[in-house]
Amino acid sequence: EAGVVQSPRYKIIEKKQPVAFWCNPISGHNTLYWYRQNLGQGPELLIRYENEEAVDDSQLPKDRFSAERLKGVDSTLKIQPAELGDSAVYLCASSPDREGEQFFGPGTRLTVL
Amino acid sequence: DAKTTQPNSMESNEEEPVHLPCNHSTISGTDYIHWYRQLPSQGPEYVIHGLTSNVNNRMASLAIAEDRKSSTLILHRATLRDAAVYYCILRVLYNFNKFYFGSGTKLNVKP
Repeated sequence: EAGVVQSPRYKIIEKKQPVAFWCNPISGHNTLYWYRQNLGQGPELLIRYENEEAVDDSQLPKDRFSAERLKGVDSTLKIQPAELGDSAVYLCASSPDREGEQFFGPGTRLTVL
Repeated sequence: DAKTTQPNSMESNEEEPVHLPCNHSTISGTDYIHWYRQLPSQGPEYVIHGLTSNVNNRMASLAIAEDRKSSTLILHRATLRDAAVYYCILRVLYNFNKFYFGSGTKLNVKP
């Protein structure tokens, strides 16, 4: 069974540029999560989807971050414009439901110069 | 608001047991305790979880204190492949089952 797929694995951009990350969850998983992990810290939830509905986006900086999960399958997280402080690893995870084990992708390491 | 606290790092010898502690003094009665681990350049992976009783699976054991304010992840025989960052997490039921990760314990296993 294929795991959570994320692309790209690495991205280097200059500040003020836009960037987008893509995630394809495990087939059949209704719940999808985007996390941000700063160096030396644990992941922090940015947004959670149940099917195509964003049910928890309280930690998403809405002035520059946006996300979508069209058709309740794969998802895109966008930052526009990027700031130096956005440098981090962006992790996508999925689970069968809101209480199930979360399966994480390998993450996208973003460096903003 | 840190919900879990863990030592920054621990060291173990290969083939010996490892006890990874976690404090979660603000836990509520409906919060689950989860443990995940993260190998270098990978996303976290599930290890074990529990609510009140001690739990065992093929990877590890979870010992939960009677007052639930602390827990211990037990690796019975550490191998070099167990070297990772171990996260103690509270899953908060009242907040949409949200995961609150701590900073994790980096486990180093010596051959």
